[in-house]
Amino acid sequence: QKEVEQNSGPLSVPEGAIASLNCTYSDRGSQSFFWYRQYSGKSPELIMSIYSNGDKEDGRFTAQLNKASQYVSLLIRDSQPSDSATYLCAVRRDSSYKLIFGSGTRLLVRP
Amino acid sequence: EAQVTQNPRYLITVTGKKLTVTCSQNMNHEYMSWYRQDPGLGLRQIYYSMNVEVTDKGDVPEGYKVSRKEKRNFPLILESPSPNQTSLYFCASNSGSLGEQYFGPGTRLTVT
Repeated sequence: QKEVEQNSGPLSVPEGAIASLNCTYSDRGSQSFFWYRQYSGKSPELIMSIYSNGDKEDGRFTAQLNKASQYVSLLIRDSQPSDSATYLCAVRRDSSYKLIFGSGTRLLVRP
Repeated sequence: EAQVTQNPRYLITVTGKKLTVTCSQNMNHEYMSWYRQDPGLGLRQIYYSMNVEVTDKGDVPEGYKVSRKEKRNFPLILESPSPNQTSLYFCASNSGSLGEQYFGPGTRLTVT
């Protein structure tokens, strides 16, 4: 079992829809959770970080964390074609600097 | 501007010719790391450094070396590159165990 699992996609949504990206992790000691966006050939760009259970909103993005279910998600409202990218979920264990990355979900937003 | 820089951005080389990819950050971060990214395999950590003169192996360290003589710099050294090291390489840094990690722009390396 991978430490951080994501569906590879592609997840295809129409422009203006809500895109829902999901991630599960195996280590219950994980404390910090991050979502990165990566365009093809470019470096990962941090979108959201979340550290406690519940929702965290930033503009069109909402991160959701449920530590009991070991589940973190990213919602993108009013999806735009420019949101088409690969989204990487990353998890950090307690008291560790190291990030564990999922393999990413490719999102396609259709005009 | 806070950033992580890498050089070169693109490099084509031949098997066995030593090369160094430089990485520098201006955020005074303690933690720095190197990743390689390959299709279907995601981001894999090569080496990391907790602070000056403190380095350790990541998940795929074979064929690579690093050094951390100054806090801001963390070069990646390939003593004898081989074709299986053809990949996209990223340097990253973060400030602490809750700190967010920032990536450099990437170095695309081709070894023929």
